[in-house]
Amino acid sequence: DTEVTQTPKHLVMGMTNKKSLKCEQHMGHRAMYWYKQKAKKPPELMFVYSYEKLSINESVPSRFSPECPNSSLLNLHLHALQPEDSALYLCASSLRQEQSYEQYFGPGTRLTVT
Amino acid sequence: KNQVEQSPQSLIILEGKNCTLQCNYTVSPFSNLRWYKQDTGRGPVSLTIMTFSENTKSNGRYTATLDADTKQSSLHITASQLSDSASYICVVSAGSGGSYIPTFGRGTSLIVHP
Repeated sequence: DTEVTQTPKHLVMGMTNKKSLKCEQHMGHRAMYWYKQKAKKPPELMFVYSYEKLSINESVPSRFSPECPNSSLLNLHLHALQPEDSALYLCASSLRQEQSYEQYFGPGTRLTVT
Repeated sequence: KNQVEQSPQSLIILEGKNCTLQCNYTVSPFSNLRWYKQDTGRGPVSLTIMTFSENTKSNGRYTATLDADTKQSSLHITASQLSDSASYICVVSAGSGGSYIPTFGRGTSLIVHP
């Protein structure tokens, strides 16, 4: 199994809602990532988890709250988002965080904040 | 500041033709360079990864080159197909003390016409 899965595929939420994005992999990878991608722009790194611990937080607003309950799962909890947070949210994983390990990306969740 | 510049921004070619995409980077210290293919609304898929000592790598009709001295890479697509229409993203990783800090290029949008 060389797949990273993400749910839901699409999400529409209001600015007062609380929702969660989910990511799962069963490749034994110990590093997992959240990226945000706006249209026609490259992905922007948000968070990195290594061995279920938060390793990198790229100064992301607190309305985004990541969680890594175990080595296969990665969640992104959303609360009080703004319309400018609408984007494609990509999850990725790699064997380890370091250096040359390849990142495998999921298909993304298309988020629209109304 | 680490930067990755890609050119051209967009490219239109006829099916069956070859094309070459360019990537220049100023990432330091250099760890590896990857080319990804991203279909619209989907997650990026890795095409090639090259480390400092590698100067060419092929994956089917895709051939990537790396010149670490001039900090340039190219992705050559041979005998293009309609399914090659996508965004091609160059990603360069800096390696220091085991951390993984990827810098994404803005991508080249390739359209293949029949």
